[in-house]
Amino acid sequence: GENVEQHPSTLSVQEGDSAVIKCTYSDSASNYFPWYKQELGKGPQLIIDIRSNVGEKKDQRIAVTLNKTAKHFSLHITETQPEDSAVYFCAASGAGNQFYFGTGTSLTVIP
Amino acid sequence: NAGVTQTPKFRILKIGQSMTLQCAQDMNHNYMYWYRQDPGMGLKLIYYSVGAGITDKGEVPNGYNVSRSTTEDFPLRLELAAPSQTSVYFCATQPGTNQPQHFGDGTRLSIL
Repeated sequence: GENVEQHPSTLSVQEGDSAVIKCTYSDSASNYFPWYKQELGKGPQLIIDIRSNVGEKKDQRIAVTLNKTAKHFSLHITETQPEDSAVYFCAASGAGNQFYFGTGTSLTVIP
Repeated sequence: NAGVTQTPKFRILKIGQSMTLQCAQDMNHNYMYWYRQDPGMGLKLIYYSVGAGITDKGEVPNGYNVSRSTTEDFPLRLELAAPSQTSVYFCATQPGTNQPQHFGDGTRLSIL
């Protein structure tokens, strides 16, 4: 089955700096890659996603890049704010419609 | 529009007891999923369903059972609770293939 690895597990940045979280996947058949933000006591919430026919997608301060050849994708958050502090998960999905999640990155934005 | 509703939010069970975790959705999504989340780990798929009357095992199904008699509801059953099943359980729905999943706020289950 698919194996998704996520790094780093923890990340601290100063407010206003950028944050980058990286994920790799193993199954070349995976073609959908969502990113979720999870706040304490809540379920994961989708923040951005990308499909395999696209190399980059941006939504305001958040962007995702995908390198299909290398089987990795990354989340970029610019101009970080304290409310960006949360746990972020990447995931990969393919023909079987199952989602495989990374182990999460705990992001802390220091005011 | 409540989205995905999970009940209860918290529960403590004794070893060997049984219980059902409820999941209800009002978005008319065909696909529904049950995950467990352990500290420092990602989400592990327990069971999923692509429509009423259809269920399939995920990565970690042992010790659990599910049913899907309606589009709206997807209950998860623990028959003989074990300490290893202490976790946070999330239900999710999905409108179709390669679409985002929508999560409930979870059930925090402790087995002592």
